[in-house]
Amino acid sequence: DSGVTQTPKHLITATGQRVTLRCSPRSGDLSVYWYQQSLDQGLQFLIQYYNGEERAKGNILERFSAQQFPDLHSELNLSSLELGDSALYFCASSVGGSYGGEQFFGPGTRLTVL
Amino acid sequence: GENVEQHPSTLSVQEGDSAVIKCTYSDSASNYFPWYKQELGKGPQLIIDIRSNVGEKKDQRIAVTLNKTAKHFSLHITETQPEDSAVYFCAAAGGRNTGNQFYFGTGTSLTVIP
Repeated sequence: DSGVTQTPKHLITATGQRVTLRCSPRSGDLSVYWYQQSLDQGLQFLIQYYNGEERAKGNILERFSAQQFPDLHSELNLSSLELGDSALYFCASSVGGSYGGEQFFGPGTRLTVL
Repeated sequence: GENVEQHPSTLSVQEGDSAVIKCTYSDSASNYFPWYKQELGKGPQLIIDIRSNVGEKKDQRIAVTLNKTAKHFSLHITETQPEDSAVYFCAAAGGRNTGNQFYFGTGTSLTVIP
């Protein structure tokens, strides 16, 4: 158990819908990262937040957004969902926000878009 | 941005044999190289990491080597056991990034045959 929690574990929805994925980092970690894992794209970095502020942005679609709240938990919002958004979404956390820090991954949320 | 390539994509070994997984990276400024093990239905778990100021690191049956000049690093698992069967991912971080995002390889599915 990494100490990172994610809810829900599974999510099934329809195209065009909007969903919210939630992540709670390890105690003491200030950074939260979101990754998408699909069969054809592997693990892709989406976005990083550090102590409430956006720190780095990767291949995140405009239909997706995230935020980190004062209690440091984070939410990833996915809107106008398409079939291709079906994937595993992982949250990770680390103590610091800069390069070279260990990241600890949660168990993931499996999103299925029908 | 950083590009990480990983080989092989699948690897089968007999129990007790060694397994080697290789990765290359493109950004010479990357300075942190973690390896993750992902079991079915779970999130990636950090198993070993190495920083750019070190050439080799060992933890029991697992070792990682780094060649900065050639920009490649490798995972070595000795005396493999069936429980080593999983998907292994390499990653690179640091570089010219503003944050701590990881760039992952495409994964190696390791099967240890009893």
